Amino acid sequence: GAVVSQHPSRVICKSGTSVKIECRSLDFQATTMFWYRQFPKQSLMLMATSNEGSKATYEQGVEKDKFLINHASLTLSTLTVTSAHPEDSSFYICSATGTGVQYSGYTFGSGTRLTVV
Amino acid sequence: DAKTTQPPSMDCAEGRAANLPCNHSTISGNEYVYWYRQIHSQGPQYIIHGLKNNETNEMASLIITEDRKSSTLILPHATLRDTAVYYCIVKPGSSNTGKLIFGQGTTLQVKP
Repeated sequence: GAVVSQHPSRVICKSGTSVKIECRSLDFQATTMFWYRQFPKQSLMLMATSNEGSKATYEQGVEKDKFLINHASLTLSTLTVTSAHPEDSSFYICSATGTGVQYSGYTFGSGTRLTVV
Repeated sequence: DAKTTQPPSMDCAEGRAANLPCNHSTISGNEYVYWYRQIHSQGPQYIIHGLKNNETNEMASLIITEDRKSSTLILPHATLRDTAVYYCIVKPGSSNTGKLIFGQGTTLQVKP
């Protein structure tokens, strides 16, 4: 149980375009979802926390107008990277927690590797 | 949230126990110690967590010192598939709330 599906696993986009990443909880209700970014050989950096039905809370230094997060249902959150630039190329990972999961609670998606050319 | 300190890298021979240390000297009374690992290019995977008692599950054992200022994750019989970055994280409470803040972790290389 407690499976999180993240899609797409890889995406290449042109500079200036927008990219949407989906994160779905398959067998539980994800009341809270987290979005992380990870650059090569670095640790995961928390970008934002979203609670279902509420606006996301962004970590300091993360541009909320550039990284749009929607968590409109208990099973789906999306991260849209708007007007992507090469420096946005990174590994994006979602995590979800909520009701119906065993304690540990924090289940991670398999990540999305974004390359902006 | 309390900060953790881990060695950047460790090696372990296949079949031997891997002992990964973590210092969390500023841990608060309500903070739990969590361990996650990340295999290359995948999302992190939960391993184990504890408050003050030693814990064991099918993946690993967690030994927390009596003063709770440090802990050790033990993989009893490491395999090549255990090669990963291991993260020690402290977080208030054991419920499904609160943020997981990742430090730099320990890169464990299991060698044949």
